[in-house]
Amino acid sequence: GESVGLHLPTLSVQEGDNSIINCAYSNSASDYFIWYKQESGKGPQFIIDIRSNMDKRQGQRVTVLLNKTVKHLSLQIAATQPGDSAVYFCAENGPGRRALTFGSGTRLQVQP
Amino acid sequence: EPEVTQTPSHQVTQMGQEVILRCVPISNHLYFYWYRQILGQKVEFLVSFYNNEISEKSEIFDDQFSVERPDGSNFTLKIRSTKLEDSAMYFCASSEYYKGSGANVLTFGAGSRLTVL
Repeated sequence: GESVGLHLPTLSVQEGDNSIINCAYSNSASDYFIWYKQESGKGPQFIIDIRSNMDKRQGQRVTVLLNKTVKHLSLQIAATQPGDSAVYFCAENGPGRRALTFGSGTRLQVQP
Repeated sequence: EPEVTQTPSHQVTQMGQEVILRCVPISNHLYFYWYRQILGQKVEFLVSFYNNEISEKSEIFDDQFSVERPDGSNFTLKIRSTKLEDSAMYFCASSEYYKGSGANVLTFGAGSRLTVL
C-alpha cells in the first residue's frame, strides 16, 4: 500500500545486535533496487543497491537480499551502532525509468 | 566528495506567492530530479530532467510547478502560486548518465524546507 502518513514502523535494537529492515514492492517489472538512509533534517543518503539479476549483495556491515518471487527486499545491518539510527527507505525503478520510487520507510532506533 | 547543494535551506512564504528553489547538481551528472517529502512521510517523486527537458513527471507536478536549468550549473524548481499543502521538504538529486539498464544512484542534496503560511 501507500505511505500511511506520520506513523513510520519502528525497529528498536540494542547496540551491537544485527538489524533487519524489510520492504515490499508491488511492481514486478522493477529491476533495480536501492536502500537509502535518512537522518533527521538531512537528505537521503545511498547505502547499497542491487539489480534484479542478483539475490544478494554485501557491503561494509550491510547486506541487501532480494526475493523477486514474493517481491521482497531486506536490508541487514551487522553490529548496529548508535550512528545507524535513522529512517531507512527502499526505492526502486524499472526499465526505461531514471527516477526512483520510494517506499514508506522504517525508523531504526539503536539503544546504547 | 562531490555533493548536491540546495538553497535556501528554509523558506517561509505566504500562500499565493511564487517560490524558486535552487540546486547545484554534481558537475558531471546529466540527470536531475526534484522530490518532496511532507513531514514524516515518504519521499515523493516530482520530476526528472535531462538534456534540457523534462523526461518524466508525477501527478503531483502540475501546472503550478516548473523546472529550469538557467545556466550550466543551476537547476531550479519554481512553484508559481503556493498553497498550504505545498509545505514540505524539497530535495534535489542528480545522477550520472549510464548506458543500458541497472545502477542509477541518485545523490540527494540536504533539502530546502518550504513553509507556506
